[in-house]
Amino acid sequence: QLQLQESGPGLVKPSETLSLTCTVSGGSISSSRYYWGWIRQSPGKGLEWIGSMYYTGTTYSNPSLKSRVTISIDTSKNQVSLKLSYVTAADTAVYYCASPPEGSYDIYFYYWGPGTLVTVSS
Amino acid sequence: DIQMTQSPSSLSASVGERVTITCRASQSISGYLNWYQQKPGKAPKLLINAASSLQSGVPSRFSGSGSGTDFTLAISSLQPEDFATYYCQQSYTTLLTFGGGTKVEMK
Repeated sequence: QLQLQESGPGLVKPSETLSLTCTVSGGSISSSRYYWGWIRQSPGKGLEWIGSMYYTGTTYSNPSLKSRVTISIDTSKNQVSLKLSYVTAADTAVYYCASPPEGSYDIYFYYWGPGTLVTVSS
Repeated sequence: DIQMTQSPSSLSASVGERVTITCRASQSISGYLNWYQQKPGKAPKLLINAASSLQSGVPSRFSGSGSGTDFTLAISSLQPEDFATYYCQQSYTTLLTFGGGTKVEMK
């Protein structure tokens, strides 16, 4: 059973870069067919997929955010990272990392971190 | 992008009632449809994947059906712990999308 835990600054200034880390425990971040996703939820709103990274190293991002999103992994630390550049107040949200069951070919999110609230404000 | 439309956006129901939530995709997604339950302040919980595959530990009063563009989540007899917001999510394409959510409230 994997455990995921997001961490990072709770407050980011407008136009700066939001940087979050998801620490994975209970398994290797680089196990076969791994898939890591980031999802966010603005206050009182629904879930929005931000982007994902496949075991192939390929990343995909929500077209509405694509040019601002960078996802990477650090196998030495068993961590997945998200960077979102040029943030505005509209990026204020709870950010989740999530993943499917190990080895799943289908992309549904079985494991979730508890989420971390990031507020964009000067 | 594939758009996912849930209806209704909210509903009021009583304990013991049967509840159905609909999710419609803007194009065929075969059976690549997943359902989540979210309670306030908590991360979503996966209920059903592949349209109808109930996750281990999820009560059998939950069921999912559908294929192509139209899908349904049903709760056969609503329990107090089922009052929550429900989301669908398509995994047909690499660009994932969620429905807007359905909030199930107590009548």
